[in-house]
Amino acid sequence: DQQVKQNSPSLSVQEGRISILNCDYTNSMFDYFLWYKKYPAEGPTFLISISSIKDKNEDGRFTVFLNKSAKHLSLHIVPSQPGDSAVYFCAAVPGGSYIPTFGRGTSLIVHP
Amino acid sequence: NAGVTQTPKFRVLKTGQSMTLLCAQDMNHEYMYWYRQDPGMGLRLIHYSVGEGTTAKGEVPDGYNVSRLKKQNFLLGLESAAPSQTSVYFCASVNPDRVNTEAFFGQGTRLTVV
Repeated sequence: DQQVKQNSPSLSVQEGRISILNCDYTNSMFDYFLWYKKYPAEGPTFLISISSIKDKNEDGRFTVFLNKSAKHLSLHIVPSQPGDSAVYFCAAVPGGSYIPTFGRGTSLIVHP
Repeated sequence: NAGVTQTPKFRVLKTGQSMTLLCAQDMNHEYMYWYRQDPGMGLRLIHYSVGEGTTAKGEVPDGYNVSRLKKQNFLLGLESAAPSQTSVYFCASVNPDRVNTEAFFGQGTRLTVV
């Protein structure tokens, strides 16, 4: 039973537009959330994170929103660039133990 | 600053053979993890360690063993490889004592069992 769900396996967006990647979780013990980006033949790299005490965190073109009542978070990329084409993993960490649980990933393709 | 280094990067095994994957980190991190990535399955936790000399099972531990004899190294062993263990394996490490921390990943080991 997946505790972290990314229900969209893929997303296609035109360059310059907004990309929105979604993630849902079921475990109320999760209190820290991260997004990782993965290019082919490379390891995942950290992109942005958010603590459960916040509902938004911004870093340049990347913004993560957290809706605790809905157990939902989203990653917004504005504007999208072809170099953003990668697989994005959502991860959640429970309070008191740093054992990340990952979603299955969303493959983002940004078309020029 | 190497970060997290995995060896080997690629390996082909025959069914029943054994091998050890090595993960080394130079960031003095306490926690280390082994994940496997399979198509459509995301990253699944095999085993993890919260400090030197400790190990614990993750989501998919069967068929694997681990050891953390030194803080900087985390070894993943396959005693008798099976085709179902064909996957890409990622090691990660983190120091959870820092605020707003994230896990760092190695570049992966692509293992094929024939």
